[in-house]
Amino acid sequence: SAVISQKPSRDICQRGTSLTIQCQVDSQVTMMFWYRQQPGQSLTLIATANQGSEATYESGFVIDKFPISRPNLTFSTLTVSNMSPEDSSIYLCSVESAGTPLYEQYFGPGTRLTVT
Amino acid sequence: AQKVTQAQTEISVVEKEDVTLDCVYETRDTTYYLFWYKQPPSGELVFLIRRNSFDEQNEISGRYSWNFQKSTSSFNFTITASQVVDSAVYFCALSEATKAAGNKLTFGGGTRVLVKP
Repeated sequence: SAVISQKPSRDICQRGTSLTIQCQVDSQVTMMFWYRQQPGQSLTLIATANQGSEATYESGFVIDKFPISRPNLTFSTLTVSNMSPEDSSIYLCSVESAGTPLYEQYFGPGTRLTVT
Repeated sequence: AQKVTQAQTEISVVEKEDVTLDCVYETRDTTYYLFWYKQPPSGELVFLIRRNSFDEQNEISGRYSWNFQKSTSSFNFTITASQVVDSAVYFCALSEATKAAGNKLTFGGGTRVLVKP
């Protein structure tokens, strides 16, 4: 299975600022995903990030608010822009492991964000 | 649209009791994958199992077992002889099985399991 790390592990930010979360994988992966888990809630997919193309956002999430970069096959960043207290969540990246026919999906340890 | 329902929001048991977590899903796809994840208090998401829609065999892994019934669109999870370390939130998830979409997961609401000593 892929080993995934995220930075920072947690942060407390002021409203109106932005935070960039990094996701690093120990092997090359095709697709990376960013999820949000609001307090006490389930996980919701924000976007899918493929290397070399624009991220694909799910309904309710927009690029201006959650810009994503995917510069290579082992790294991605998610920025939470112009934060408000409603953005307080755990943000998780996940990757598909290489292989066929279809993939197991593993998650990073998450970034716990609190916006004051 | 895909949907996953975990009707039980919280289950409390005493150690060594068995506990079964229900998962019901909806999808129009004929090919799909089902997953179970564990989220302990530390917050990380731990992969437990993946099952494809063509494989209805039940699976056992140690104290964990899974019952997949396509006829009722259910993928239930049983922990046998529960232990305090099993206390966590458990999520059932469903994915489309297309290379184009990737393995986007739709999660259920989660079931919090509390195992008391």
